[in-house]
Amino acid sequence: NAGVTQTPKFQVLKTGQSMTLQCAQDMNHEYMSWYRQDPGMGLRLIHYSVGAGITDQGEVPNGYNVSRSTTEDFPLRLLSAAPSQTSVYFCASSRTGAYGYTFGSGTRLTVV
Amino acid sequence: AQKITQTQPGMFVQEKEAVTLDCTYDTSDPSYGLFWYKQPSSGEMIFLIYQGSYDQQNATEGRYSLNFQKARKSANLVISASQLGDSAMYFCAMREVKNSGGSNYKLTFGKGTLLTVNP
Repeated sequence: NAGVTQTPKFQVLKTGQSMTLQCAQDMNHEYMSWYRQDPGMGLRLIHYSVGAGITDQGEVPNGYNVSRSTTEDFPLRLLSAAPSQTSVYFCASSRTGAYGYTFGSGTRLTVV
Repeated sequence: AQKITQTQPGMFVQEKEAVTLDCTYDTSDPSYGLFWYKQPSSGEMIFLIYQGSYDQQNATEGRYSLNFQKARKSANLVISASQLGDSAMYFCAMREVKNSGGSNYKLTFGKGTLLTVNP
């Protein structure tokens, strides 16, 4: 089925560990983005990409790295996890970024 | 300053009645887009409706309509004939162009309104 696939759905990390949240889409969308959702804060943009090889920072980029080597994939890396990164993470894609955003089902991350 | 403001943390409505969820925005970009998303307790983000800044008519999608008042910078969501399944968190979002002349779009969300539909 076409859409945005995020893996894993749930993850528990210890402080200081690293991990990569995966995001893949099969709709040939140029624009991909990562958000985190915290209670009472809505969704906040972490990083986004307007095409393969092009990434840029959003509102809350600190502690996260991204790369975009292919159109399909946009992984989010946590280099040294902190409890403040406990959140639900959403990946979204859009053909151009102007409209038509499709969201993944989210990854619930807990850092202990 | 917040780009998107949703002033109602929670709203209650009786089944079959209409409800309006408020959203105001702040931008100097002449070309922007406004979105509403629904997030049920299962967590997925469901697109409801879109309004472009140059659209002359208010957007409608089934029971959802967007009351777009450009001069007041408001984009309220109206849900008619509420159903129990409408109970969810609702987010207003705005798409701007981050860099003029480019395609660096940025989608910014409000903090959301939790709607509860009572039987």
